[in-house]
Amino acid sequence: QKEVEQDPGPLSVPEGAIVSLNCTYSNSAFQYFMWYRQYSRKGPELLMYTYSSGNKEDGRFTAQVDKSSKYISLFIRDSQPSDSATYLCAMRGDSWGKFQFGAGTQVVVTP
Amino acid sequence: DAGITQSPRHKVTETGTPVTLRCHQTENHRYMYWYRQDPGHGLRLIHYSYGVKDTDKGEVSDGYSVSRSKTEDFLLTLESATSSQTSVYFCAITPGQSSYEQYFGPGTRLTVT
Repeated sequence: QKEVEQDPGPLSVPEGAIVSLNCTYSNSAFQYFMWYRQYSRKGPELLMYTYSSGNKEDGRFTAQVDKSSKYISLFIRDSQPSDSATYLCAMRGDSWGKFQFGAGTQVVVTP
Repeated sequence: DAGITQSPRHKVTETGTPVTLRCHQTENHRYMYWYRQDPGHGLRLIHYSYGVKDTDKGEVSDGYSVSRSKTEDFLLTLESATSSQTSVYFCAITPGQSSYEQYFGPGTRLTVT
């Protein structure tokens, strides 16, 4: 079983809809939770991060972490065609070392 | 873009040949990583480095070796390429030991025939 599970999609939504993405994980030592966006044939770029549990909002993006359920979410409000990309969740513990990535969810926002 | 470049950007090679991929960064970061990305697997760590000549294995290190003789360069070598190593390879840096941030290079698309 993978340490981080993420539905690969594709997830297709109409422009203006809310996109809901999530990951589950098994390692309770994870403390940092990140979301990356990756456009086709590009490297991933950091979108948001959250430390421990709670919510974080940045413009149209909201990240949520529920450590008791080992579940993280990313919401994209008022989705745009330019949001069409693959979204990867990533996690790491407190001590320096390795980051663990989900497989990525492909999102398609149709005009 | 954190000043990360990768070379070559595309390569086709034959089974059994050695291949070296280069990652170059311009901002003197200490921590560097090599990942491979395959459909259904996401990013998997091959090797990472925490300083010049200081490297360690990731989860998929078999068949790969790395070297870091200068802070700015992190080389990934496939000793004898196999078709299972056909993938997209990404280099990444982390600005600091406690950092949650990783910045990625543009990737190298490698095909082993």
